[in-house]
Amino acid sequence: DAGVTQSPTHLIKTRGQHVTLRCSPISGHKSVSWYQQVLGQGPQFIFQYYEKEERGRGNFPDRFSARQFPNYSSELNVNALLLGDSALYLCASSLGRGRETQYFGPGTRLLVL
Amino acid sequence: GESVGLHLPTLSVQEGDNSIINCAYSNSASDYFIWYKQESGKGPQFIIDIRSNMDKRQGQRVTVLLNKTVKHLSLQIAATQPGDSAVYFCAEWARDDYKLSFGAGTTVTVRA
Repeated sequence: DAGVTQSPTHLIKTRGQHVTLRCSPISGHKSVSWYQQVLGQGPQFIFQYYEKEERGRGNFPDRFSARQFPNYSSELNVNALLLGDSALYLCASSLGRGRETQYFGPGTRLLVL
Repeated sequence: GESVGLHLPTLSVQEGDNSIINCAYSNSASDYFIWYKQESGKGPQFIIDIRSNMDKRQGQRVTVLLNKTVKHLSLQIAATQPGDSAVYFCAEWARDDYKLSFGAGTTVTVRA
């Protein structure tokens, strides 16, 4: 079975640009969560989506937004990129909206210059 | 600040020995804990989980112990192998919370 997939694997942007990251959950999983992992730190929660609705949001500015599609895939959008947005962006899927095991994708490595 | 943290940032282990990775948490509302392993260039991989109604749970070569009295959990890896070299994170769910909170991680290096 395919796990969580993310695209692209790597991305280089310049300050002020916009970026869209994509995630496809494990088949049958309806919940997708996004995390930011800065080098040397643990993942930090950004969003959780379940059944196309935002169910939770972490302490991130409004430049960060996301959405979930009818097939449960998801996009994370970041506007007006800052150097500090350079990180590994992880997507995790789980069956439902509750406190369940989350399975992570390989991540998208974003570098902002 | 983060409510989940690890006692040691690095751990060096001889191949074949047992490894013990510790994690402290401060949120008394946390009642579900998960250990993840992250290898270089990859996303976190689920290892084992434990809920607060349990003190111990065993998997294949791994054991998680939970001490709610002192808000501490540990991951024990038996007969550590080179493939166990990675960063290990403990993560927690608090009751009525919607997010998984991670600690900073412990880097485990296995010596041949």
